[in-house]
Amino acid sequence: QSVLTQPPSVSGAPGESVTISCAGSSSNIGAANGVQWYQQLPGTAPKLLIYANTHRPSGVPDRFSASKSGTSASLAISGLQAEDEADYFCQSYDTVDTIGYVFGTGTKVTVL
Amino acid sequence: QIQLVQSGPEVKKPGASVKVSCKASGYNFISQYIHWVRHSPGQGFEWIGIMNPDGGSTNYAQKFKDRVTLTRDTSTSTVYMEISSLLHEDTAVYYCARDSRTIYGAGMIDYFDYWGQGTLVTVAS
Repeated sequence: QSVLTQPPSVSGAPGESVTISCAGSSSNIGAANGVQWYQQLPGTAPKLLIYANTHRPSGVPDRFSASKSGTSASLAISGLQAEDEADYFCQSYDTVDTIGYVFGTGTKVTVL
Repeated sequence: QIQLVQSGPEVKKPGASVKVSCKASGYNFISQYIHWVRHSPGQGFEWIGIMNPDGGSTNYAQKFKDRVTLTRDTSTSTVYMEISSLLHEDTAVYYCARDSRTIYGAGMIDYFDYWGQGTLVTVAS
């Protein structure tokens, strides 16, 4: 089961901002392991949005930003657009030996 | 452009095995590791294991280490994941994903920079 907890859904009107939280623990996000964020449009492969807590790969709009504090992280989408309607999930690494890479429960973003 | 193209959907009976392929293109195949991840409604995303195409070394999550085998064919830039003794709970979409690394603090972290399109494996009697 997913180790990192996210809200099931968030929504906003076009142009508004939304924030998605990702709650972990001292063995993953809190253990100074980086947090990544991925976007998954319906029926497509996940796409890397953010790596190492705050870094955007080339081609990702600066409307997407992220932060990390303690055992939690968050992704913010500003100036919401219709094409942002998708599932978003966070990912980190867990220092417990048996688990390895861990993922969030996923959040569906709806553009009203 | 960088692509990971996976094989098509599979339907298997409990106890059978399944082998899913992931063909890489657009980059030097042996230069970056490949992960396997699965997603199911009940369990969410789970990391299965990682393969180094340069030499073939592997590392598996504890949960899968007894039933999963990762192999590769460097001549076709393809990585394979085989799961044996399938259970109903193995019904999921299986993804391959390329590993990328960056400096982080005093060390390095890795993450998944490109993903395959996913392969649905259904286990049903």
